[in-house]
Amino acid sequence: ILNVEQSPQSLHVQEGDSTNFTCSFPSSNFYALHWYRWETAKSPEALFVMTLNGDEKKKGRISATLNTKEGYSYLYIKGSQPEDSATYLCASLTGTASKLTFGTGTRLQVTL
Amino acid sequence: GAGVSQSPSNKVTEKGKDVELRCDPISGHTALYWYRQSLGQGLEFLIYFQGNSAPDKSGLPSDRFSAERTGGSVSTLTIQRTQQEDSAVYLCASSPQGLAGFYEQYFGPGTRLTVT
Repeated sequence: ILNVEQSPQSLHVQEGDSTNFTCSFPSSNFYALHWYRWETAKSPEALFVMTLNGDEKKKGRISATLNTKEGYSYLYIKGSQPEDSATYLCASLTGTASKLTFGTGTRLQVTL
Repeated sequence: GAGVSQSPSNKVTEKGKDVELRCDPISGHTALYWYRQSLGQGLEFLIYFQGNSAPDKSGLPSDRFSAERTGGSVSTLTIQRTQQEDSAVYLCASSPQGLAGFYEQYFGPGTRLTVT
């Protein structure tokens, strides 16, 4: 994998559903993996920064895991709420300690 | 405290004109980034500042693009002789640490540039 890829591109779930997204990134020369949430008409907001293989991080109902050997990260949302509706971006720091490469995001819509 | 601010929030300009976009990072943040998001694309890295110097400007798409940062604070992104393909949302982000890619970035609200 040369670029950062996210799937699915978009997702529509009902309130209360749990869901997850995937971020794939180059595994060689890996430094860090970032997750951001970008709500419409707002600024992207940092969720997690992970560096170590096997890292798991949690913030409320949102958690993320990291596999640096195979180059993927999962973001999980438990019991989705309408306020979780946003685009979720991942970005990898690979080959350089300063430049993040972003995926195109997963757009989540949670309806009542 | 105050977050990252950007101005203007919207800019419509005619093809061939020069534009300046401004970013005020969070006070004390040493690292500053410029990104852009074109329609249907992901966030694209443009340039990274550590203090007033730019160790990585590899993302600037052409020599019409330049950026500077003064006093370790405010940064200006200048686009000369704008083209329609420059239309995008330009985002600025700052981070409090050196080796900034290891730390979360704080984003501004962006400047939506439309070149007609």
